[in-house]
Amino acid sequence: QKEVEQDPGPLSVPEGAIVSLNCTYSNSAFQYFMWYRQYSRKGPELLMYTYSSGNKEDGRFTAQVDKSSKYISLFIRDSQPSDSATYLCATLYNFNKFYFGSGTKLNVKP
Amino acid sequence: ETGVTQSPTHLIKTRGQQVTLRCSSQSGHNTVSWYQQALGQGPQFIFQYYREEENGRGNFPPRFSGLQFPNYSSELNVNALELDDSALYLCASSLMGVGGTDTQYFGPGTRLTVL
Repeated sequence: QKEVEQDPGPLSVPEGAIVSLNCTYSNSAFQYFMWYRQYSRKGPELLMYTYSSGNKEDGRFTAQVDKSSKYISLFIRDSQPSDSATYLCATLYNFNKFYFGSGTKLNVKP
Repeated sequence: ETGVTQSPTHLIKTRGQQVTLRCSSQSGHNTVSWYQQALGQGPQFIFQYYREEENGRGNFPPRFSGLQFPNYSSELNVNALELDDSALYLCASSLMGVGGTDTQYFGPGTRLTVL
């Protein structure tokens, strides 16, 4: 079983839609969770960083962690064509090991 | 831009050869992590260096090795290249310790093709 599993996508939505991206993780000891965005031929860039359970909001982006079900989500409100990218969830274990999901490719149509 | 640079951008090697990839960390960062990203997959953690010492390693064989230099730049060396080593290799720098946040900043990657 992989440490982090991510819905494979791809996901195609119209501009302005609310997007929901999801991952599950295997180890209840994981406490730090991240969402990265990766454009084609670029390195990943950090979008959101959360610790433990709860919600964190930053502009149009909301990250949610549910430790009871080992489920992490990223919501994008009022999606824009510029949001079209691959979204990667990740977790940090023991401060020195990062585990990434396989990524969900999002396409926001104008 | 993150301030993390990698060289070369692209590289083509043949099976059995050795390769060295380079990474220059963001100014002030003391930690570098290396990842392998196969096409259509998420990054797979290779190892992390903190203050010139290996600080953690993923499930990669010993033919993957690294170095971190006093200026915190880094190298990834891969010996006896195999076809499955073809991937995008990413480095990420961060600041660990007092005042650090563990937030990683990724470089643009080196695309390695093994023929």
